Amino acid sequence: EAQVTQNPRYLITVTGKKLTVTCSQNMNHEYMSWYRQDPGLGLRQIYYSMNVEVTDKGDVPEGYKVSRKEKRNFPLILESPSPNQTSLYFCASSLGPERAGYQETQYFGPGTRLLVL
Amino acid sequence: GIQVEQSPPDLILQEGANSTLRCNFSDSVNNLQWFHQNPWGQLINLFYIPSGTKQNGRLSATTVATERYSLLYISSSQTTDSGVYFCAVTDSWGKFQFGAGTQVVVTP
Repeated sequence: EAQVTQNPRYLITVTGKKLTVTCSQNMNHEYMSWYRQDPGLGLRQIYYSMNVEVTDKGDVPEGYKVSRKEKRNFPLILESPSPNQTSLYFCASSLGPERAGYQETQYFGPGTRLLVL
Repeated sequence: GIQVEQSPPDLILQEGANSTLRCNFSDSVNNLQWFHQNPWGQLINLFYIPSGTKQNGRLSATTVATERYSLLYISSSQTTDSGVYFCAVTDSWGKFQFGAGTQVVVTP
């Protein structure tokens, strides 16, 4: 089954304790992306990757790191989490892109609910 | 960056009613998609529609790229249509921008 998986689905942690949220897709997609969703602010893009070893900042990259060493995986790293990073996180992927534009439907993972105390 | 505005912010419908959701965007885009987030938080792609008209069952969408807007039509609404509907666009560098969403509640 074609899908985007995220782990863990729920996570409670404390300020400053490094964590990684994994994201994996089995559709051979080139484009992958991370979003956070907060009440009243909608979905905001954190980082995206057009292909292996290529990553770019979205609207809210501060406090996050990503890497794209393999096509299927795009982990999100919080080196020193803070309470303002408490949020619902989504990973997504798509077949695209053409360099001049993004040409494909984006598929979302189930989300990871993170609480930073 | 590209600004995306959705209207109305909230919509309450009686089962069986029709409705139109609107998405305005501030610049030319390479990609426009409509998503539905169900009450359990799952995000489902409805349409990839940078231009033209598409239909899928009771849902249809139209994008007029030259006038920078897209419309999502829900016909004969059902309670399962409840949730938040998002419009999202992509600029030429692959950066996505979501609108704030339209919260839809369909009552029996």
